[in-house]
Amino acid sequence: GAGVSQSPSNKVTEKGKDVELRCDPISGHTALYWYRQSLGQGLEFLIYFQGNSAPDKSGLPSDRFSAERTGGSVSTLTIQRTQQEDSAVYLCASSPSGGWAYNEQFFGPGTRLTVL
Amino acid sequence: GQSLEQPSEVTAVEGAIVQINCTYQTSGFYGLSWYQQHDGGAPTFLSYNGLDGLEETGRFSSFLSRSDSYGYLLLQELQMKDSASYFCAVKDDKIIFGKGTRLHILP
Repeated sequence: GAGVSQSPSNKVTEKGKDVELRCDPISGHTALYWYRQSLGQGLEFLIYFQGNSAPDKSGLPSDRFSAERTGGSVSTLTIQRTQQEDSAVYLCASSPSGGWAYNEQFFGPGTRLTVL
Repeated sequence: GQSLEQPSEVTAVEGAIVQINCTYQTSGFYGLSWYQQHDGGAPTFLSYNGLDGLEETGRFSSFLSRSDSYGYLLLQELQMKDSASYFCAVKDDKIIFGKGTRLHILP
């Protein structure tokens, strides 16, 4: 496809379970970002990849959160031992190069995570 | 600390002009961006200002004053489809988005 895709679109899980969220960026985009958005709130930066490395992971809220990117393409965000406060929409974005402020970011549709 | 401030809501009339302000407080600065987000949708990029002045893209314009740590998004000839939330964003050592301004447009 032409845009950023994310899967699943919706995920309902029980507290304490682990979840994996997937992001497929636009082909050729070297930079990839993960954000979290709670209802009616702004976007909370989580982590940024340039290629397969993560020069900025300062936004990860705790050590239960981790992310990886392989082949300079697909990225997965893993949340271990989910808590109810993890419920949010998780958004992925990609851009043609790093230094995000200089380039347009293209967002995926998001994964809505609900932790019961 | 680092912060971005923008109004939570703005209301305007169809066909009018509206300005959404953003003030920021960061130790470093690499430019100000604006994004639009419709309910249930993903944010879409509107504009970027790296230098002082006005950037114009169709009905939308964005302004930056680095000395005042201030920028704004100007929307002209408002249409009902412009009803959405608008976010400003700044990168310092960390990427920060504002909480968003919800724009209501009256017919």
